[in-house]
This record gives sequence, structure tokens and C-alpha cells, in this order.
Amino acid sequence: AQSVTQLGSHVSVSEGALVLLRCNYSSSVPPYLFWYVQYPNQGLQLLLKYTTGATLVKGINGFEAEFKKSETSFHLTKPSAHMSDAAEYFCAVRLIFGNEKLTFGTGTRLTIIP
Amino acid sequence: GAVVSQHPSRVICKSGTSVKIECRSLDFQATTMFWYRQFPKQSLMLMATSNEGSKATYEQGVEKDKFLINHASLTLSTLTVTSAHPEDSSFYICSATVNTEAFFGQGTRLTVV
Repeated sequence: AQSVTQLGSHVSVSEGALVLLRCNYSSSVPPYLFWYVQYPNQGLQLLLKYTTGATLVKGINGFEAEFKKSETSFHLTKPSAHMSDAAEYFCAVRLIFGNEKLTFGTGTRLTIIP
Repeated sequence: GAVVSQHPSRVICKSGTSVKIECRSLDFQATTMFWYRQFPKQSLMLMATSNEGSKATYEQGVEKDKFLINHASLTLSTLTVTSAHPEDSSFYICSATVNTEAFFGQGTRLTVV
């Protein structure tokens, strides 16, 4: 079975500052890893994903994440926060083999301070 | 990317009635769809896996008779909340996967009064 831990349910950063959202996973086999963003009363939008290949993954809206197998981490970063980045962010994992079920972390609410 | 459309976006119903939520894949066929429930300020909890042409697979603790899932075609899955009660009020989201990527519907905010 796989699981996801997101450290920090709330993160606040100043506009223009670095954004760092943490995600650690547990999986018995190599997983696929995802970051999703959710705006109020909306579904989830994929920011980026790691499947195979390069461990540094670039996504939409200037976000990127690095898969570190030794640390079982997949932290999300953005060099300079924008007010529009304020949202809920979810890290998720699924197994490479088998069904397509996603296991989500508990989410991190990102607040941007003007 | 692929589009998943969920309807309605909001619904208010009286306690004891049933509500149907539709999830459609607009530009692809989905043999499998997933239904999630999200409580306020919490993560998504998988309720069930909807399988086209066969019975849904429910997660542990999810009442099959309360949350009826039908996946009658390759582009439509429905979730019916039967005999709804206030504790069923929640945000329900569906998804379907294309290759390795899951695409989500817009979600349905259900309020039972």
C-alpha cells in the first residue's frame, strides 16, 4: 500500500518569495507522483507529474518538483510566488503497475501575503 | 488535455430524497472512473471505482446501498446518493485516467437540508 504525507497544512509566503511545499511518500514499489492544485469549489488541476526519466519535473505556472528516491520526497517549489498561487495543493501517488487509484496527501493551503 | 464534465455543480436537496450526480468524459472513453468525497478543508477520499459494464468497487466503509454507482457507457458514470441525510453533505468529485494522468470533474457541492 502507498501513502503520502504533506508537512504543513498551511503555508504562508510573501509575494515574490520562494514557495516550498513538502511531500513525502511511502510505497512498496516505484510510484508515479503528482501535484494537483485546487481552487475553492472546483475540481483538481494537474500541476506536474513524475513517471519516469528526469527527476526534476517542470509543470505549469512556474512550478517544479524533484523526485528524490533516497529521501522518498517529491517537494513542490516555485521561485517567486504570485497572488494567484493562493490555493490548496495536493500531493498524490499511484502505483506504476496495477490499478489507477490515486492516494492523496492531506493537502497544504498556500496563502500569499501581499 | 482530456475533459471530464461533472453535473450539477451545486445541488440542495431535502433529507430523505435521492440525488444523482453525472460524470462524463467528453473527448475520450473511460472504462474506469473514480468517485471521491471531500470534506471541508480536507483531502479527497476515494469512495469507489466505477467500472463500465460491471459493478463498482467500493472502498472499505463506503455504503454500497447509499451511494449507487452506475457506469452504463464508456463516457458516463453516475453517483446516486440515496435517502440523503445532512451528514451526506459534502463535495463529490469524479475523475478518469488517460495514460498516467487523472482528469477531474469540477465537483458537485451537495447540501442536504
